[in-house]
Amino acid sequence: SYELTQPPSVSVSPGQTARITCSGDALPKQYAYWYQQKPGQAPVLVIYKDSERPSGIPERFSGSSSGTTVTLTISGVQAEDEADYYCQSADSSGTSHGSVFGGGTKLTVL
Amino acid sequence: QVQLQQSGPGLVKPSQTLSLTCAISGDSVSSNSAAWNWIRQSPSRGLEWLGRTYYRSKWYNDYAVSVKSRITINPDTSKNQFSLQLNSVTPEDTAVYYCARDPSSWYPTPGWFDPWGQGTLVTVSS
Repeated sequence: SYELTQPPSVSVSPGQTARITCSGDALPKQYAYWYQQKPGQAPVLVIYKDSERPSGIPERFSGSSSGTTVTLTISGVQAEDEADYYCQSADSSGTSHGSVFGGGTKLTVL
Repeated sequence: QVQLQQSGPGLVKPSQTLSLTCAISGDSVSSNSAAWNWIRQSPSRGLEWLGRTYYRSKWYNDYAVSVKSRITINPDTSKNQFSLQLNSVTPEDTAVYYCARDPSSWYPTPGWFDPWGQGTLVTVSS
């Protein structure tokens, strides 16, 4: 089965830059998407098509792609950015036309 | 803007059928440029895509291999909603279930999920 790999946790101080990575063999050929999830809430899309930002998402959120790794960057981290972040992409195992998610990264703002 | 409102029971007995509904406002379940998905989240399995339904001149469904033998997702055009049925549930199916729209218009490659429903905690227990 196809997997996306994320680090379990990332910690940064307010005002610093947080970088969260997601690795998968098919990422050079498939777009990646990023979601922010706060406790007790549904996930919210923050980046689509590797680097596009939906309307209403602050400019400090950006995405990039290089080879088999995509990166979510949060510049000038604020306390309100503390959350779980998940990457998602198309299932490239060949068994379905579905999606897979990474295991999630907990961002802690120190 | 598009909103999704979920409904359905929060407690299901083992071996019975889990049934949830997702009502759509601001878009159409029959749209030729969206797909309608069910996703669940549990501590043990994380976020898990379950399946989708979409209309591209005819109706299509795709299901995750892990639940393919037990799942049905149906559109209801008269009420502009779609439903999830998961048969023969076990305690391992205990999770928060979400519906979500994929607005990418791609076929058959899936896109992104936006927006999501509010989530329904479904507990499988006798």
